Amino acid sequence: AQSVTQLDSQVPVFEEAPVELRCNYSSSVSVYLFWYVQYPNQGLQLLLKYLSGSTLVKGINGFEAEFNKSQTSFHLRKPSVHISDTAEYFCAVPQGGKLIFGQGTELSVKP
Amino acid sequence: DSGVTQTPKHLITATGQRVTLRCSPRSGDLSVYWYQQSLDQGLQFLIQYYNGEERAKGNILERFSAQQFPDLHSELNLSSLELGDSALYFCASSPNSGNTIYFGEGSWLTVV
Repeated sequence: AQSVTQLDSQVPVFEEAPVELRCNYSSSVSVYLFWYVQYPNQGLQLLLKYLSGSTLVKGINGFEAEFNKSQTSFHLRKPSVHISDTAEYFCAVPQGGKLIFGQGTELSVKP
Repeated sequence: DSGVTQTPKHLITATGQRVTLRCSPRSGDLSVYWYQQSLDQGLQFLIQYYNGEERAKGNILERFSAQQFPDLHSELNLSSLELGDSALYFCASSPNSGNTIYFGEGSWLTVV
């Protein structure tokens, strides 16, 4: 079975600093990977996805992620965060047609 | 706006009661998923329907049931409610039983 592990439950960072949210996956088959974001009191929104091709994937709001097969990772990065990036971020992997989510990482951007 | 519509947005009910959560998928999407989000369990997959038929079942309690109607909308029925059922219930949809799914805003259920 495929699974994802988000290594940090909370990441506090100052505004305009870079950030990396870590995600490791476990899979013995071809991997598709996703990052979703959940802003306070809202639903989940697709941030970016890796299906195939270039290992560097660009998403919305200036986020990007890199698929690293040798390290089984799909870390999410942003070079300069804003207060509005404060949210919970979920890494996900498909399994049997549904998505299995990690436990989430709460990104808190402070002024 | 993802295009997935859920009602009601908020619901408060008493233990032992029964509620129905409703979901309209994005136009053209055949697959509907239900997830439960709680502080202690995180995001848990409950059940998936594809074009009216149950496709996959996750950690869904026997007190819970769902269905997808011919017009592709779906309902999640929660019965004999317990305090621990208080959570945010998400509906999501996708064009097929594929990979990218789109979430609604969720239905907040509070059991008192």
